[in-house]
Amino acid sequence: NAGVMQNPRHLVRRRGQEARLRCSPMKGHSHVYWYRQLPEEGLKFMVYLQKENIIDESGMPKERFSAEFPKEGPSILRIQQVVRGDSAAYFCASSQDRGREKLFFGSGTQLSVL
Amino acid sequence: EDQVTQSPEALRLQEGESSSLNCSYTVSGLRGLFWYRQDPGKGPEFLFTLYSAGEEKEKERLKATLTKKESFLHITAPKPEDSATYLCAVPGETSGSRLTFGEGTQLTVNP
Repeated sequence: NAGVMQNPRHLVRRRGQEARLRCSPMKGHSHVYWYRQLPEEGLKFMVYLQKENIIDESGMPKERFSAEFPKEGPSILRIQQVVRGDSAAYFCASSQDRGREKLFFGSGTQLSVL
Repeated sequence: EDQVTQSPEALRLQEGESSSLNCSYTVSGLRGLFWYRQDPGKGPEFLFTLYSAGEEKEKERLKATLTKKESFLHITAPKPEDSATYLCAVPGETSGSRLTFGEGTQLTVNP
């Protein structure tokens, strides 16, 4: 019974490149969340998705960031034209239902922008 | 806007030395409070959910309590394997699954 799977674990990009982070939720979970943890800061909500729908993207930066959760396959967090300030740990979480549900987190993707 | 503040930022204990971590929150209406544990290089791991003032939950050496303004995580006779960062979080008003996290308390338990 695999948990939330994120890949890659570590991703190095040069400024201006694109970063794609993948997340497969736990089996049976249809709700996916992305959080970002900047150095010396707490976890910050980015986006909440269900299959083929973005439910809440109020925490997403307005430019360069996008997320999707297609009918088939993992959820993708895409960062275009990365800058050094995008360097952070990106965590995906999933839940079986929405609302006051505990979240199950993956081990994260550490993005480093050179 | 929901706010969550944790104290202390860091805590060093000797094995067996009990203590408490604090999580104070400001929300428009209490919709629950979550405690998570995070080990280095890993994602947060769920510990407890508390929904109403006066509620208590226990798991091994950990006990979480909740009042109208704050929550405590009591650690009784800690062991080195309890060393981790402990995070508390509250769900959002409009999107219950949007959690606002505190910055955590980094606990170190020395043998």
